[in-house]
Amino acid sequence: GEDVEQSLFLSVREGDSSVINCTYTDSSSTYLYWYKQEPGAGLQLLTYIFSNMDMKQDQRLTVLLNKKDKHLSLRIADTQTGDSAIYFCAEGGWRRDMRFGAGTRLTVKP
Amino acid sequence: DTAVSQTPKYLVTQMGNDKSIKCEQNLGHDTMYWYKQDSKKFLKIMFSYNNKELIINETVPNRFSPKSPDKAHLNLHINSLELGDSAVYFCASSQPGGTDIQYFGAGTRLSVL
Repeated sequence: GEDVEQSLFLSVREGDSSVINCTYTDSSSTYLYWYKQEPGAGLQLLTYIFSNMDMKQDQRLTVLLNKKDKHLSLRIADTQTGDSAIYFCAEGGWRRDMRFGAGTRLTVKP
Repeated sequence: DTAVSQTPKYLVTQMGNDKSIKCEQNLGHDTMYWYKQDSKKFLKIMFSYNNKELIINETVPNRFSPKSPDKAHLNLHINSLELGDSAVYFCASSQPGGTDIQYFGAGTRLSVL
């Protein structure tokens, strides 16, 4: 079946950039999303990108999409300790449910 | 105002009991969802529901049943609870069409003893 994959762990130093990668298999994906989950909380939408875009930037966040390779990345510039969380990649298509990756646990060390 | 709210936040119960988790959204969305997140943080969709159609993930045991008294509510009822049902359950809602962004509740942590 169709799948969304991401690495489970990433550790960076405070002030460095973080890059979280995601791959998906469904070529009918219309939107791709990044959600953040802090401890004990629900998923919060960080950003999303339409499948016909290559890049989207929002303050410290940069999303890159390579539709040919079905590869999505989230770059967080100047990573702070408050960015420590689990980041979920998700994809959605016309009239079907979203599929989530397993989540990448980002640890930011001071 | 909380967009998607779930109650209770924590639920501790014995095996074999029946319990319900409530979910309400004030976003005017047509579609609501229930997800299960296990101890490894894997997120699996259980149900999606709008006023016309219920879609059930085939892996969900029939002990789980969604109940929707109206468009703004989708409650999750669980019969004969088992140890493996312990998890965090998330409710979400979205408006079909457009970006289809799903908005999540804060989760209900269910512990079955």
